[in-house]
Amino acid sequence: DAGVIQSPRHEVTEMGQEVTLRCKPISGHDYLFWYRQTMMRGLELLIYFNNNVPIDDSGMPEDRFSAKMPNASFSTLKIQPSEPRDSAVYFCASSPRTGGGLNGYTFGSGTRLTVV
Amino acid sequence: GQQLNQSPQSMFIQEGEDVSMNCTSSSIFNTWLWYKQDPGEGPVLLIALYKAGELTSNGRLTAQFGITRKDSFLNISASIPSDVGIYFCAGLNYGGSQGNLIFGKGTKLSVKP
Repeated sequence: DAGVIQSPRHEVTEMGQEVTLRCKPISGHDYLFWYRQTMMRGLELLIYFNNNVPIDDSGMPEDRFSAKMPNASFSTLKIQPSEPRDSAVYFCASSPRTGGGLNGYTFGSGTRLTVV
Repeated sequence: GQQLNQSPQSMFIQEGEDVSMNCTSSSIFNTWLWYKQDPGEGPVLLIALYKAGELTSNGRLTAQFGITRKDSFLNISASIPSDVGIYFCAGLNYGGSQGNLIFGKGTKLSVKP
């Protein structure tokens, strides 16, 4: 099992540019989560999907952020336009259904985003 | 929103020493999780706790789900250099879906050989 795969690992972009982060969850996992990690705020849940449907996006900072999950094996998190305060590590995680699902809650290695 | 208070923020210990860290909340949780994050990687699940009072071990790691359901602790015995990293607690509320995991701010552990 390759685990949760995120790309790119590192992204440096200029303010105002569009940024797209990608995630491939573990096959068979029904849930997909996007988190942002900063020193000041720790790990924050941005949005999560169940069976490709967005369930809760209340953590998305503002309209500049959007996330999609067109199929069970792929999700994107897009920031347009990007700002320096968006600099953080963005994690994707996936898990199977509840009922032992939390034991399978697996994080990817993250994308370190730097907006200059 | 709900918060988990994790302490200490950081620890500097000698190899071989035992380590203890804890998480507290003003809210009740029905599940507690402990994760470790290595530099440049995502958090990795160490221990999951599902019942109040539950005490679970994973090698040199032991975690307990507090009786009040508002706290949990993690102990590491006989620390070794590879224990270095950031340890996070996470809690899930009654009736909450998997999306309602709340994370502590982490305890950064440094181990001196």
